[in-house]
Parts: sequence; structure tokens; C-alpha cells
Amino acid sequence: AQSVTQLGSHVSVSEGALVLLRCNYSSSVPPYLFWYVQYPNQGLQLLLKYTSAATLVKGINGFEAEFKKSETSFHLTKPSAHMSDAAEYFCAVISVAGTALIFGKGTTLSVSS
Amino acid sequence: DTEVTQTPKHLVMGMTNKKSLKCEQHMGHRAMYWYKQKAKKPPELMFVYSYEKLSINESVPSRFSPECPNSSLLNLHLHALQPEDSALYLCASSLTTGMRGETQYFGPGTRLLVL
Repeated sequence: AQSVTQLGSHVSVSEGALVLLRCNYSSSVPPYLFWYVQYPNQGLQLLLKYTSAATLVKGINGFEAEFKKSETSFHLTKPSAHMSDAAEYFCAVISVAGTALIFGKGTTLSVSS
Repeated sequence: DTEVTQTPKHLVMGMTNKKSLKCEQHMGHRAMYWYKQKAKKPPELMFVYSYEKLSINESVPSRFSPECPNSSLLNLHLHALQPEDSALYLCASSLTTGMRGETQYFGPGTRLLVL
């Protein structure tokens, strides 16, 4: 069965600091992985996705993630946090059938000035 | 344009009411989805439509009734809901379903409160 585990339900950083949000996956087949962001009272917006091409994936708003098969990880990073990055972040894996997104529990990112 | 629209934004209904949620996309996508998101939780899949046909029902109670009148429109009819059904209902669409690399694009959601 497919699953993702997000380590840390809440991450706090200062403005300008490195952002690191952790995601580990479990998959019976080569995984297709996604990071979505959800701002308060809004829907989900795709940040980036891994589809077995490059292991380092660049997304929107300066975010990137690296797929590491040996560590079964797909951590999300951003070199310098902005106040506007404060939101809920979800890691997800697509089901084997390619229908459902299976989400992690989410990580709330807080950014302080 | 990668926009999925949902109406209404907010809905308050009593347990005996009948209401409907609407979702629309004009990206030519042939797969549409309903997800339910409780507060502080991740979204959970409810239904999947592929080429206007219901392909997945994740054991959702019959008080939720989906409908896909055409390839651009997805409805969720609500009847005799319970207070525990209060949640954010998210619609999503993708070009197709079954292709594991496809991106699902989400709408802003309808926040439902059942009294």
C-alpha cells in the first residue's frame, strides 16, 4: 500500500532562514510524489511533483525537493523563508491505480520576523 | 488557465435540508474528484469521475450523491446530513485518471456547516 509520513506537524522558522519539511514514503511500486501547499481558507496548490525524471525537482515560489530512493524520502526545501510561506504543506503519493492522492498528515509552517 | 471553481464558498444547512455543491473546470480535463477535508486533517478521497462516469466511490454514505452532467461540471448533492459531515469539500480535476504522473488541480473548496 502507498503511504507518506510527514515528520513534524509544526515547523517554525525565522524570515530568511532555511525551510526544511520532511516527507518519507512507502510504496510497492516506483512512487510518484507531490507537494501541495494550502493557505488559510483556500484549496490546495501544487508546489512540485516527482515523476521519475530528475531526482532534484524545482517548483514554484523557490521551493525544491530531492527524491532519495535509498532513504525513501522526498523532503521539501527553500533556502530563504518569506512571511508569505506560512501555510499548511502536504506531501502526497499517487495510488497504484493512479486515481487517488494519498496525503500525509500535513506540516504547518510558521515564519516569524 | 488551471482554474477549478467551486460554488458556494460557504454553506450552512440543517439536517433536513437538501443542497448541492457545484464544481466547474474548463481545462478539458476528463477526470474529476471530490475530496473531504476535516479541520487540521489532510483531504480524503470521496468520489472519482472518469469521462463522466463514476469510477470510484470510497464507501461514502448515500446522503452524499455525486453527479457529472458533462465533462466540465461536477455536482455533489447533499441530503439529511449529520453535524459530523461539516468539513471543507474540495473538488479537483486532472487530464485523465489512471496516469500516475497526472497533476490534480484543486478548487478553493466549499466550507460546509451542518447544524
